[in-house]
Amino acid sequence: KQEVTQIPAALSVPEGENLVLNCSFTDSAIYNLQWFRQDPGKGLTSLLLIQSSQREQTSGRLNASLDKSSGRSTLYIAASQPGDSATYLCAVGNNNDMRFGAGTRLTVKP
Amino acid sequence: NAGVTQTPKFQVLKTGQSMTLQCAQDMNHNSMYWYRQDPGMGLRLIYYSASEGTTDKGEVPNGYNVSRLNKREFSLRLESAAPSQTSVYFCASSESPGNYEQYFGPGTRLTVT
Repeated sequence: KQEVTQIPAALSVPEGENLVLNCSFTDSAIYNLQWFRQDPGKGLTSLLLIQSSQREQTSGRLNASLDKSSGRSTLYIAASQPGDSATYLCAVGNNNDMRFGAGTRLTVKP
Repeated sequence: NAGVTQTPKFQVLKTGQSMTLQCAQDMNHNSMYWYRQDPGMGLRLIYYSASEGTTDKGEVPNGYNVSRLNKREFSLRLESAAPSQTSVYFCASSESPGNYEQYFGPGTRLTVT
């Protein structure tokens, strides 16, 4: 059974810092990995989708990497802003079965 | 283009009552999903519909039923609600099963007393 872990559970940084969020998974036979953002009381917003054949994806200040062999993904956020404060979730997909981590709650202080 | 919509946004039920959560998408997606989100546990898949006319169980299907009414709509029914079903329920859709991005609705916050 696929298990997805996100460490740390919470992170607080000052504005302007570059930061890395971590996601690890136990079964490397995956189709894709998706990073989401969730604001309090809201739904999930897709940030980046990495196919199993890819090593990384970039969107603006966000860069996500995937290392299937070691069961790890990282989400890099450059020059963090208070508006980046949210919970970040990673999800590992295998056909229709998508398994989520519990998330990292990020606070960026002005 | 509203994406994925869910109704209602909030609901309070008494134990044993029934209700149906509605989900609709306007992106012409083939696949639709129902998840629940509990504190500290991430999201868990309840049921999914890979295409119109098909439904399959996910990780936590007990106590739920689903109907894929047409390509746009996918409903989740609680026949006899239990306090353990207190959760936030999210509907999602994707272009096809497998290697495609999933898009989520805003969620339904359900409390069972």
